[in-house]
Amino acid sequence: GAGVSQSPSNKVTEKGKDVELRCDPISGHTALYWYRQSLGQGLEFLIYFQGNSAPDKSGLPSDRFSAERTGGSVSTLTIQRTQQEDSAVYLCASSFSSVGAEYGYTFGSGTRLTVV
Amino acid sequence: QQQVKQSPQSLIVQKGGISIINCAYENTAFDYFPWYQQFPGKGPALLIAIRPDVSEKKEGRFTISFNKSAKQFSLHIMDSQPGDSATYFCAASTDAGNMLTFGGGTRLMVKP
Repeated sequence: GAGVSQSPSNKVTEKGKDVELRCDPISGHTALYWYRQSLGQGLEFLIYFQGNSAPDKSGLPSDRFSAERTGGSVSTLTIQRTQQEDSAVYLCASSFSSVGAEYGYTFGSGTRLTVV
Repeated sequence: QQQVKQSPQSLIVQKGGISIINCAYENTAFDYFPWYQQFPGKGPALLIAIRPDVSEKKEGRFTISFNKSAKQFSLHIMDSQPGDSATYFCAASTDAGNMLTFGGGTRLMVKP
């Protein structure tokens, strides 16, 4: 597609339920990134993929968070047993290369997750 | 821990004025410094970027000033317009890096 597509755009879930967030990057972009943005806050790095592998998972806040990427394309971020502090906007970005970020990240519009 | 510190957190400017946002970094290995602009409900979008081999880069009304010795860089928006109202993020990375380190963001409001 023309841009990075994320779905759903909004998700309300009950505390304790699992959620899956999807990111469809720009075709040909080899690098994919997940960030979290809490209300009025900055961008918190979660995980980075180069192709299907994830060389940097350092930002995942707990073992309830996991992510995968298949076929070097679509990525899914899964949050198990959601907690209220997981409420945030989850942003996905992709780029042509992992080396030299000046290729520029293209961000999706995000998934707004609300845990009630 | 790599850090990029951004200030101010919020900024109100009159239409036609100059908006100035500052960032400071610690990691001397950083060599790429982009700025991103984010409108409500949208993801951040690349606005302008600079390498440390130049002290200034201008694109239209947007200018990045870079001070390598002070490890600081700033975004200047000349003739600020209400349409510039958004959140601005500075960021930094190394040439061999795979991740941008973002500042905390500045919410800019330009009053008509």
